[in-house]
Amino acid sequence: QVTLKESGPALVRPTQTLTLTCTFSGFSLSTNEMRLNWIRQPPGKALEWLARIDWDGDKYYNSSLKTRLTISKDTSKNQVVLTMTDLDPVDTGTYFCARIPPYKSSSLAFDVWGPGTMVTVSS
Amino acid sequence: DIVMTQSPATLSVSPGERATLSCRASQNINDNLAWYQQKPGQGPRLLIFGSSTRATGIPARFSGSGSGTDFTLTINSLQSEDFATYFCHQYNDWPTFGPGTKVEIK
Repeated sequence: QVTLKESGPALVRPTQTLTLTCTFSGFSLSTNEMRLNWIRQPPGKALEWLARIDWDGDKYYNSSLKTRLTISKDTSKNQVVLTMTDLDPVDTGTYFCARIPPYKSSSLAFDVWGPGTMVTVSS
Repeated sequence: DIVMTQSPATLSVSPGERATLSCRASQNINDNLAWYQQKPGQGPRLLIFGSSTRATGIPARFSGSGSGTDFTLTINSLQSEDFATYFCHQYNDWPTFGPGTKVEIK
């Protein structure tokens, strides 16, 4: 059974750095064409893709947030970590990790999501 | 960025009826579109990818269609567990999502 779970602080002060961890089971990020993503959802708003890390270590970032984001993986621990610097109240929202498996059709749809972790940025 | 729009924002449907949800892309995305269902406090659940392919375990009452810029999710014979918010997602370019359609009980 494939599961993902996000963890991190519930409250962060403005200008601080946020570190979120996605711990997963049921698959290996070393598998060819396996990819893990971070996506967020401000309260009452649309989902926003943040970053992706691939089985081969390639990393991709939302261009509007690229200077503030770093994604990394620890394959032995089955974890992916996202750091976001210089937090602002507009960064408040639920942060999800989501998997893209190796599809036969080369799809890039997110097939499994974690339950999300709510982060509030406030002084 | 490719902008995704969805209509209507809210859809009121009686159990057993059909729901038709629309999603439009600001430019051609071929068939690189997915649909998700989300319930309060939960992560989204993949329903459809490649515009029309049902994900594993998704009931046949869910169907997707469209290509290019206009897409439709149809839910036949709505069940109680289908009342939720539905998002579309394009992956032809860097991922973007629609704002969602909330399907509520009429």
